Amino acid sequence: AQTVTQSQPEMSVQEAETVTLSCTYDTSESDYYLFWYKQPPSRQMILVIRQEAYKQQNATENRFSVNFQKAAKSFSLKISDSQLGDAAMYFCAYRTPNTGNQFYFGTGTSLTVIP
Amino acid sequence: GAVVSQHPSRVICKSGTSVKIECRSLDFQATTMFWYRQFPKQSLMLMATSNEGSKATYEQGVEKDKFLINHASLTLSTLTVTSAHPEDSSFYICSASMRGWADTQYFGPGTRLTVL
Repeated sequence: AQTVTQSQPEMSVQEAETVTLSCTYDTSESDYYLFWYKQPPSRQMILVIRQEAYKQQNATENRFSVNFQKAAKSFSLKISDSQLGDAAMYFCAYRTPNTGNQFYFGTGTSLTVIP
Repeated sequence: GAVVSQHPSRVICKSGTSVKIECRSLDFQATTMFWYRQFPKQSLMLMATSNEGSKATYEQGVEKDKFLINHASLTLSTLTVTSAHPEDSSFYICSASMRGWADTQYFGPGTRLTVL
């Protein structure tokens, strides 16, 4: 069974500093996608970044980057130059064709940004 | 691009009544739509997956007769909570994918349902 684990229920970071959110997953598949979604207080889920498992290069989107370690089944999110607007719940998600397009979500990490 | 809307954003109803929630993909055709339920400070729980023109696939433990899902077109899916009870009060979120399995899910803003 596919599972996604986020071991940090809560994290905090000083404004302008860097923070890393961890995510591990369990799968026997070789072909899959990984995602990080952000859910601010408005509760609108926003795609932050996604990574294709077949790509060795880590995905990057402006201040957001991932460290994808396929062998270790690890997919951490690094937020650089943290801003107050980054405060939100962050969910890691996994998707594979063998699960009918279904996403598996982690339990989330609540990020606080300290001014 | 890839905007998903939900209506209504909030609804309050009396116990025993039915409530319909609409999910629309505004600028793309959604071959697959998903319905989630989220309790406070928890992750999203998938309720069902629907493909346009076919019956929804419900997750284990989700009553299909209580949560009716219709995906009549490539841009619209509806979730009807029938004979609602206070325990159905929750935050319901829909999402949509454009094509195939490799595409991202784009989420609606959610609907807060309160059953009195």
